[in-house]
Amino acid sequence: DTGVSQDPRHKITKRGQNVTFRCDPISEHNRLYWYRQTLGQGPEFLTYFQNEAQLEKSRLLSDRFSAERPKGSFSTLEIQRTEQGDSAMYLCASSLDRGAPSYGYTFGSGTRLTVV
Amino acid sequence: DAKTTQPNSMESNEEEPVHLPCNHSTISGTDYIHWYRQLPSQGPEYVIHGLTSNVNNRMASLAIAEDRKSSTLILHRATLRDAAVYYCILAGDTGTASKLTFGTGTRHQVTL
Repeated sequence: DTGVSQDPRHKITKRGQNVTFRCDPISEHNRLYWYRQTLGQGPEFLTYFQNEAQLEKSRLLSDRFSAERPKGSFSTLEIQRTEQGDSAMYLCASSLDRGAPSYGYTFGSGTRLTVV
Repeated sequence: DAKTTQPNSMESNEEEPVHLPCNHSTISGTDYIHWYRQLPSQGPEYVIHGLTSNVNNRMASLAIAEDRKSSTLILHRATLRDAAVYYCILAGDTGTASKLTFGTGTRHQVTL
């Protein structure tokens, strides 16, 4: 297992377009998290899944954002009608629920979104 | 979430020990102290965590004050690869915490 994979690494899109990001967690990890990070700030929590169930969503996750984890494995984060304020690094992380976060989260390298 | 306070930036000399402080005066009895670091253009990386006792692993040591209101991350010998933003985070344990709440961390630079 090579860790948490995110695709694409970079995405440039025009304002108003829809974008979708994918995250492949560590295979035995049942929890998956999405974070957003803007320049100079720490990552901000967006949402998390336990298996396929989305258990918590931040108020940062407006109705233009939707996340899925259909089979409890990979996850997608979609942003509809992108705005320039959506420009950020989108990070995915995974962990085991038992002992989590005691055993640590494993983060991917992120998808950098630029909305022009 | 209980908050942590860290210096904005710190600088160390290569091959010298590094002590990164964190204050968390409102820590609750069930909060673990977690440290993550983030290298440029990468996601955060788990470093170490602890509850009450000092902890050591291959990456670092964590020294926790007796009253748990502060802690120090210790890197025994700084290398250029230790140049990163270090985050001190309070979070619960097994199954109780659903997320990590990051602050702005300490930007640690290493000089030759």
